[in-house]
Amino acid sequence: DAGVIQSPRHEVTEMGQEVTLRCKPISGHDYLFWYRQTMMRGLELLIYFNNNVPIDDSGMPEDRFSAKMPNASFSTLKIQPSEPRDSAVYFCASSPPGGGSEQYFGPGTRLTVT
Amino acid sequence: SQQGEEDPQALSIQEGENATMNCSYKTSINNLQWYRQNSGRGLVHLILIRSNEREKHSGRLRVTLDTSKKSSSLLITASRAADTASYFCATGPSGTYKYIFGTGTRLKVLA
Repeated sequence: DAGVIQSPRHEVTEMGQEVTLRCKPISGHDYLFWYRQTMMRGLELLIYFNNNVPIDDSGMPEDRFSAKMPNASFSTLKIQPSEPRDSAVYFCASSPPGGGSEQYFGPGTRLTVT
Repeated sequence: SQQGEEDPQALSIQEGENATMNCSYKTSINNLQWYRQNSGRGLVHLILIRSNEREKHSGRLRVTLDTSKKSSSLLITASRAADTASYFCATGPSGTYKYIFGTGTRLKVLA
């Protein structure tokens, strides 16, 4: 199994630009999570999906952030417009059916907004 | 505020020694999980303990859970240099799959 795949691995962009992060969960997993990790705030859950439907997006910092899951094998996290404080490592994780079980994390996308 | 908080924040030990790290949380939970993160990598699941369990083992790992004190501990026995990483607890509150990760313990095992 290839595991959770994220792209790009690194992204450097200028303030005000749109950023799109991509995630392919493990086949057969029906939960998908987006996290953000910074030194100051640790690992924060942004949003999670079950069967492609957003269940809880209370962690999304503001309207500049949006996430979609058009099908079971693909999800995006978009930031528009980006700001320097969005600089962080963004992780995608997936979990098998049933919930309440272990999450499999992708390698992360390191985002730098200058 | 953080649901899970680990202590110590950092721990440095010699290879072969045991490492113990603790996690405290605030609300009732379905289960508690421990993860490892090597520098620059994603998190890797280590072990899950359910709220009705008190102790669980997996290889050199031993996890305990005390729901009355809302705390858990992770013991790594006979540590190796390869165990050097950050360790996080994650709590799954009752009724939701919105896992909350703690602040992490940075473990350094000296060869």
